[in-house]
Amino acid sequence: DADVTQTPRNRITKTGKRIMLECSQTKGHDRMYWYRQDPGLGLQLIYYSFDVKDINKGEISDGYSVSRQAQAKFSLSLESAIPNQTALYFCATSDNPGQGLTDTQYFGPGTRLTVL
Amino acid sequence: EDQVTQSPEALRLQEGESSSLNCSYTVSGLRGLFWYRQDPGKGPEFLFTLYSAGEEKEKERLKATLTKKESFLHITAPKPEDSATYLCAVSNQAGTALIFGKGTTLSVSS
Repeated sequence: DADVTQTPRNRITKTGKRIMLECSQTKGHDRMYWYRQDPGLGLQLIYYSFDVKDINKGEISDGYSVSRQAQAKFSLSLESAIPNQTALYFCATSDNPGQGLTDTQYFGPGTRLTVL
Repeated sequence: EDQVTQSPEALRLQEGESSSLNCSYTVSGLRGLFWYRQDPGKGPEFLFTLYSAGEEKEKERLKATLTKKESFLHITAPKPEDSATYLCAVSNQAGTALIFGKGTTLSVSS
């Protein structure tokens, strides 16, 4: 079984709809991240969470919100989807490097979101 | 501003033709430099982490090296299955998140 799973894998929605993307991990990592990838651009950080009670905005958080339901679950919501949010969305996890562990991030398979 | 630049954007090789991909970075205190492989429509797959200048790591036909300003991913005798986009990323001293380059798309033909 994959260590980092994302649901749904593909989603087509309409402008103005609310949509939630979910991420679950079995790696036991404290830290979780949401990235967006557009063709020709690098991965851009949307939000990140270092533990259940910690949520932080990334470089492109406008139009998005997140919820950390448990150590293993981190969801991303688009409150009112718009066409320029059409992209590939990736969830990632990492250990807490303060505990002497590597902070290498491990990525899920991605969700392809299309907003019409 | 922390920044990562990868070159070339695209690279075409014949099977067995060795080459190198470049990742130049500016960062406020490097915690680590990461290489990932990404196949179309899939999530990035972790390859290497390098932490200090002079460090080298190898995996099959891939070898990553690190200096104070750049990293190289050397591909020796590539095969068609090495075709993918290779992403470079850095973690700064704050350690909050990774800063990614735009990637190098490698195509290896037989």
